[in-house]
Amino acid sequence: GAVVSQHPSWVICKSGTSVKIECRSLDFQATTMFWYRQFPKQSLMLMATSNEGSKATYEQGVEKDKFLINHASLTLSTLTVTSAHPEDSSFYICSAEYGTGDTEAFFGQGTRLTVV
Amino acid sequence: LAKTTQPISMDSYEGQEVNITCSHNNIATNDYITWYQQFPSQGPRFIIQGYKTKVTNEVASLFIPADRKSSTLSLPRVSLSDTAVYYCLVLSGGYNKLIFGAGTRLAVHP
Repeated sequence: GAVVSQHPSWVICKSGTSVKIECRSLDFQATTMFWYRQFPKQSLMLMATSNEGSKATYEQGVEKDKFLINHASLTLSTLTVTSAHPEDSSFYICSAEYGTGDTEAFFGQGTRLTVV
Repeated sequence: LAKTTQPISMDSYEGQEVNITCSHNNIATNDYITWYQQFPSQGPRFIIQGYKTKVTNEVASLFIPADRKSSTLSLPRVSLSDTAVYYCLVLSGGYNKLIFGAGTRLAVHP
Protein backbone atom coordinates (compact mmCIF):
# COMPACT_ATOMS: atom_id res chain seq x y z
CA GLY A 1 0.00 0.00 0.00
CA ALA A 2 0.83 3.67 -0.14
CA VAL A 3 3.25 5.03 2.46
CA VAL A 4 2.78 8.12 4.60
CA SER A 5 5.66 9.24 6.77
CA GLN A 6 5.67 11.69 9.65
CA HIS A 7 8.65 13.49 11.09
CA PRO A 8 9.63 13.64 13.84
CA SER A 9 8.27 10.54 15.56
CA TRP A 10 8.57 12.28 18.88
CA VAL A 11 9.52 15.73 20.08
CA ILE A 12 9.92 17.44 23.41
CA CYS A 13 9.72 21.21 23.48
CA LYS A 14 9.61 23.97 26.03
CA SER A 15 6.40 25.79 26.80
CA GLY A 16 6.00 28.85 24.60
CA THR A 17 7.99 27.54 21.66
CA SER A 18 6.66 26.34 18.31
CA VAL A 19 6.98 22.87 16.85
CA LYS A 20 6.62 21.80 13.23
CA ILE A 21 5.48 18.31 12.26
CA GLU A 22 5.86 17.07 8.70
CA CYS A 23 3.64 14.62 6.87
CA ARG A 24 4.86 13.21 3.58
CA SER A 25 3.30 10.89 1.08
CA LEU A 26 6.31 8.92 -0.12
CA ASP A 27 5.11 7.14 -3.21
CA PHE A 28 2.01 9.00 -4.30
CA GLN A 29 0.66 12.48 -4.62
CA ALA A 30 -1.91 13.58 -2.08
CA THR A 31 -4.08 16.56 -2.86
CA THR A 32 -5.77 16.15 0.50
CA MET A 33 -4.27 15.31 3.86
CA PHE A 34 -5.89 15.21 7.27
CA TRP A 35 -4.52 15.99 10.69
CA TYR A 36 -5.72 14.25 13.86
CA ARG A 37 -4.92 14.54 17.53
CA GLN A 38 -5.19 11.70 19.99
CA PHE A 39 -4.97 11.89 23.76
CA PRO A 40 -4.10 8.79 25.83
CA LYS A 41 -6.81 6.13 25.86
CA GLN A 42 -8.99 8.25 23.59
CA SER A 43 -9.98 8.09 19.97
CA LEU A 44 -8.58 10.16 17.13
CA MET A 45 -10.03 13.63 16.82
CA LEU A 46 -9.99 15.25 13.39
CA MET A 47 -8.38 18.67 13.58
CA ALA A 48 -8.28 19.87 10.00
CA THR A 49 -8.34 19.01 6.33
CA SER A 50 -5.30 20.15 4.40
CA ASN A 51 -5.68 20.84 0.69
CA GLU A 52 -2.71 21.40 -1.58
CA GLY A 53 -2.43 25.01 -2.65
CA SER A 54 -5.28 26.32 -0.52
CA LYS A 55 -6.12 27.13 3.06
CA ALA A 56 -6.82 24.32 5.46
CA THR A 57 -10.32 23.67 6.72
CA TYR A 58 -10.43 23.43 10.49
CA GLU A 59 -12.93 21.47 12.55
CA GLN A 60 -15.07 23.30 15.03
CA GLY A 61 -13.19 24.18 18.19
CA VAL A 62 -9.70 23.91 16.66
CA GLU A 63 -7.78 27.17 16.78
CA LYS A 64 -6.39 27.85 13.33
CA ASP A 65 -3.92 30.43 14.62
CA LYS A 66 -2.48 27.94 17.05
CA PHE A 67 -2.32 24.97 14.70
CA LEU A 68 -0.90 26.28 11.45
CA ILE A 69 -1.24 23.96 8.50
CA ASN A 70 0.61 24.35 5.23
CA HIS A 71 0.20 22.05 2.23
CA ALA A 72 2.66 23.53 -0.20
CA SER A 73 3.17 20.50 -2.41
CA LEU A 74 1.37 17.32 -3.39
CA THR A 75 3.59 15.26 -1.11
CA LEU A 76 4.04 17.43 1.98
CA SER A 77 1.78 18.92 4.60
CA THR A 78 3.07 20.51 7.79
CA LEU A 79 1.40 21.19 11.11
CA THR A 80 2.97 23.84 13.31
CA VAL A 81 1.90 24.03 16.92
CA THR A 82 2.56 27.62 17.88
CA SER A 83 3.29 28.81 21.41
CA ALA A 84 2.93 25.28 22.69
CA HIS A 85 1.68 24.62 26.20
CA PRO A 86 1.61 21.43 28.25
CA GLU A 87 -2.05 20.86 27.34
CA ASP A 88 -0.96 20.58 23.69
CA SER A 89 0.98 17.46 24.56
CA SER A 90 -0.61 14.74 22.50
CA PHE A 91 -0.16 12.24 19.69
CA TYR A 92 -0.57 13.93 16.31
CA ILE A 93 -1.37 11.78 13.29
CA CYS A 94 -1.77 12.65 9.64
CA SER A 95 -3.46 10.75 6.86
CA ALA A 96 -3.45 11.14 3.11
CA GLU A 97 -6.02 10.44 0.48
CA TYR A 98 -4.49 8.06 -2.03
CA GLY A 99 -6.50 9.04 -5.05
CA THR A 100 -9.66 10.74 -6.16
CA GLY A 101 -12.59 8.60 -5.19
CA ASP A 102 -10.44 6.11 -3.32
CA THR A 103 -11.89 5.30 0.07
CA GLU A 104 -8.81 3.92 1.78
CA ALA A 105 -6.84 6.39 3.87
CA PHE A 106 -3.19 5.89 4.69
CA PHE A 107 -1.91 7.10 8.02
CA GLY A 108 1.47 8.24 9.18
CA GLN A 109 3.08 6.63 12.19
CA GLY A 110 2.21 9.59 14.39
CA THR A 111 4.22 12.19 16.30
CA ARG A 112 4.32 12.23 20.07
CA LEU A 113 4.57 15.84 21.26
CA THR A 114 5.50 16.56 24.86
CA VAL A 115 5.52 20.15 26.02
CA VAL A 116 7.43 20.79 29.25
CA LEU B 1 -21.99 11.10 8.48
CA ALA B 2 -23.59 8.05 10.05
CA LYS B 3 -22.87 7.52 13.74
CA THR B 4 -21.39 4.18 14.76
CA THR B 5 -21.71 2.24 17.99
CA GLN B 6 -19.44 -0.61 18.98
CA PRO B 7 -18.45 -2.30 22.25
CA ILE B 8 -15.88 -0.41 24.26
CA SER B 9 -13.79 -3.48 24.95
CA MET B 10 -13.55 -7.22 24.33
CA ASP B 11 -11.37 -10.00 25.65
CA SER B 12 -10.36 -13.16 23.84
CA TYR B 13 -7.76 -15.90 23.92
CA GLU B 14 -5.22 -16.95 21.38
CA GLY B 15 -6.60 -19.14 18.63
CA GLN B 16 -10.20 -18.04 19.07
CA GLU B 17 -12.34 -16.29 16.49
CA VAL B 18 -13.31 -12.77 17.46
CA ASN B 19 -16.38 -11.00 16.14
CA ILE B 20 -16.81 -7.27 16.72
CA THR B 21 -20.19 -5.85 15.80
CA CYS B 22 -20.81 -2.25 14.88
CA SER B 23 -24.18 -0.52 14.62
CA HIS B 24 -24.74 2.21 12.04
CA ASN B 25 -28.48 2.71 11.88
CA ASN B 26 -28.32 5.91 9.83
CA ILE B 27 -26.13 4.59 7.05
CA ALA B 28 -26.90 6.16 3.68
CA THR B 29 -27.24 4.41 0.35
CA ASN B 30 -23.83 5.51 -0.91
CA ASP B 31 -21.94 4.85 2.33
CA TYR B 32 -19.25 2.22 2.76
CA ILE B 33 -18.27 0.46 5.98
CA THR B 34 -14.60 0.51 6.84
CA TRP B 35 -12.59 -0.95 9.69
CA TYR B 36 -9.23 0.25 10.95
CA GLN B 37 -6.83 -1.22 13.50
CA GLN B 38 -4.60 0.83 15.76
CA PHE B 39 -1.72 -0.33 17.91
CA PRO B 40 -0.45 1.88 20.74
CA SER B 41 1.59 4.86 19.56
CA GLN B 42 0.97 4.10 15.89
CA GLY B 43 -1.32 5.46 13.23
CA PRO B 44 -4.40 3.45 12.29
CA ARG B 45 -4.10 0.78 9.64
CA PHE B 46 -6.79 -0.14 7.14
CA ILE B 47 -8.19 -3.64 7.65
CA ILE B 48 -11.18 -4.11 5.42
CA GLN B 49 -13.99 -2.31 3.68
CA GLY B 50 -17.34 -3.40 2.34
CA TYR B 51 -20.69 -2.27 1.04
CA LYS B 52 -22.92 -5.30 1.48
CA THR B 53 -22.95 -9.07 2.13
CA LYS B 54 -19.49 -10.46 2.83
CA VAL B 55 -15.97 -9.35 2.13
CA THR B 56 -12.89 -11.38 2.98
CA ASN B 57 -9.20 -10.64 2.75
CA GLU B 58 -6.08 -12.17 4.20
CA VAL B 59 -6.63 -10.49 7.54
CA ALA B 60 -10.34 -10.51 8.28
CA SER B 61 -13.88 -10.95 7.07
CA LEU B 62 -16.62 -8.37 7.11
CA PHE B 63 -20.26 -9.39 7.28
CA ILE B 64 -22.94 -6.90 6.37
CA PRO B 65 -26.63 -7.86 6.53
CA ALA B 66 -29.10 -6.81 3.89
CA ASP B 67 -30.36 -3.75 5.80
CA ARG B 68 -26.73 -2.57 6.29
CA LYS B 69 -27.58 -1.15 9.71
CA SER B 70 -24.81 -3.13 11.29
CA SER B 71 -21.63 -4.93 10.36
CA THR B 72 -19.43 -7.54 11.98
CA LEU B 73 -15.68 -7.70 11.74
CA SER B 74 -14.46 -11.26 12.12
CA LEU B 75 -10.87 -12.03 13.04
CA PRO B 76 -10.09 -15.74 12.67
CA ARG B 77 -7.75 -17.39 15.17
CA VAL B 78 -6.47 -14.29 16.91
CA SER B 79 -2.98 -14.07 18.32
CA LEU B 80 -1.44 -11.83 20.96
CA SER B 81 -0.38 -9.42 18.21
CA ASP B 82 -4.03 -8.73 17.39
CA THR B 83 -4.37 -6.84 20.66
CA ALA B 84 -5.31 -3.38 19.45
CA VAL B 85 -8.14 -0.90 19.11
CA TYR B 86 -10.52 -1.56 16.23
CA TYR B 87 -12.52 1.26 14.72
CA CYS B 88 -15.64 0.93 12.63
CA LEU B 89 -16.29 3.87 10.34
CA VAL B 90 -18.93 4.75 7.81
CA LEU B 91 -17.84 6.96 4.98
CA SER B 92 -19.44 8.37 1.90
CA GLY B 93 -18.15 6.99 -1.34
CA GLY B 94 -15.01 8.80 -2.44
CA TYR B 95 -14.69 10.92 0.68
CA ASN B 96 -11.87 10.26 3.08
CA LYS B 97 -12.77 12.57 5.95
CA LEU B 98 -12.72 9.92 8.62
CA ILE B 99 -14.53 10.60 11.86
CA PHE B 100 -13.48 8.08 14.47
CA GLY B 101 -15.74 6.80 17.22
CA ALA B 102 -14.50 5.34 20.46
CA GLY B 103 -13.45 2.04 18.93
CA THR B 104 -13.27 -1.41 20.51
CA ARG B 105 -10.26 -2.23 22.60
CA LEU B 106 -9.50 -5.92 21.99
CA ALA B 107 -7.27 -7.73 24.42
CA VAL B 108 -6.01 -11.17 23.41
CA HIS B 109 -4.76 -13.31 26.27
CA PRO B 110 -2.42 -16.32 26.19
